[in-house]
Amino acid sequence: QVQLQESGPGLVKPSETLSLICSVSGGSISRGDYFWNWIRQSPGKGLEWIANFYHSGSTHYNPSLKSRVTMSEDTSKNQFTLNLSSVTAADTAVYYCARSAPSYDHETLNYAYDALDLWGQGTMVIVSS
Amino acid sequence: QSVLTQPPSASATPGQRVTISCSGSSSNIGSYAVNWYQQFPGSAPKLLIYGQNQRPSGVPDRFSGSKSGTSASLAISGLQSEDEADYFCASWDDSLSGPVFGGGTKLTVL
Repeated sequence: QVQLQESGPGLVKPSETLSLICSVSGGSISRGDYFWNWIRQSPGKGLEWIANFYHSGSTHYNPSLKSRVTMSEDTSKNQFTLNLSSVTAADTAVYYCARSAPSYDHETLNYAYDALDLWGQGTMVIVSS
Repeated sequence: QSVLTQPPSASATPGQRVTISCSGSSSNIGSYAVNWYQQFPGSAPKLLIYGQNQRPSGVPDRFSGSKSGTSASLAISGLQSEDEADYFCASWDDSLSGPVFGGGTKLTVL
């Protein structure tokens, strides 16, 4: 049974870099037909996709965060990381890592790797001095 | 402000059928499947419906999804008290090259 677990500091100072790790157990991030994602949810607000990658493939970033975000993988530890630089109070949120599988539209015949079928429990990050 | 538009709240009594709408555009719902998520307070979202109307293992068939043009709906029949939760729609967006979400609908079971 594949499980995801986020870890990282719960408090980050403004202008510093937020660094989070997602540890994956029960399955390898380098095998299978999945993308691996970071998503955040601000208090009382909705969900925002941050970035994703496919092992040995390209990494994709939300254009609104692209200048500040780096996502990387460590296959030896079966982990992937998120770095978000120059944080402000607006970056305060619960950060989730999640696995995504293909979702097919049988009318348009399009598909995308956006069915987020496994999530970590989430980690709250507060940006404050 | 979320890319996909959902009503902030919905309510119904046990046993009734309730629908939650989700509106988007040609760059997302109009071109790609809609996925739905259920979230309880303090917990991560859970995939409820994917590919318009596919249910992951363990999700009751009381939950169903549909799409028409640039809008989609989640229907819950035989409403139960344990269905009281937040529901989010989502779809891939060509402009983002990633998934976009609705703002969520808080379902209250009266």
